Amino acid sequence: AQSVSQHNHHVILSEAASLELGCNYSYGGTVNLFWYVQYPGQHLQLLLKYFSGDPLVKGIKGFEAEFIKSKFSFNLRKPSVQWSDTAEYFCAVYGGSQGNLIFGKGTKLSVKP
Amino acid sequence: EPEVTQTPSHQVTQMGQEVILRCVPISNHLYFYWYRQILGQKVEFLVSFYNNEISEKSEIFDDQFSVERPDGSNFTLKIRSTKLEDSAMYFCASGGGGVETQYFGPGTRLLVL
Repeated sequence: AQSVSQHNHHVILSEAASLELGCNYSYGGTVNLFWYVQYPGQHLQLLLKYFSGDPLVKGIKGFEAEFIKSKFSFNLRKPSVQWSDTAEYFCAVYGGSQGNLIFGKGTKLSVKP
Repeated sequence: EPEVTQTPSHQVTQMGQEVILRCVPISNHLYFYWYRQILGQKVEFLVSFYNNEISEKSEIFDDQFSVERPDGSNFTLKIRSTKLEDSAMYFCASGGGGVETQYFGPGTRLLVL
């Protein structure tokens, strides 16, 4: 069965620091990958997704992620974080024919002003 | 922008009681999902629903759970006899199916005492 690992449980950064959140998936075939964000008190929102093509995916709010097939990774990056990026970030992989998503445990990001 | 809505936002119930969690998916979506997140754990897929029937379910979704689309707008998750371990945040999502983006509701936090 497919699985997703997010190794960082809680990341604390100062504003303007660069961000990289790790995500590894287990499946070796064709994958569809997603990053979702959950701001405090809000619902899960899609940041970006990878289906095929350019492995460097641009998302909303200045986020990007790079799909590296040889490393089974889909790390999320942002060059300069803001206090408003404080949230929980979830990596997910499309799990099957009916579209269910398999999520990682999430990484909580706290950005200090 | 259309959103998925869920009610109630919080529900406290006694063990053994039935609960119904309600969701209003985005109106032109055809696929509906329920996920749950036990505190400190991953977001887990429960069930997907299409064309008025379950299209896929996880092993979590046992006989205590059922889903229904009682009218043209609501999508409900019923837990027949709640257990302590059912305490979790329950998320509804809707989308176009397959690898199409899933849009999540804000969740219902269920506490079983």
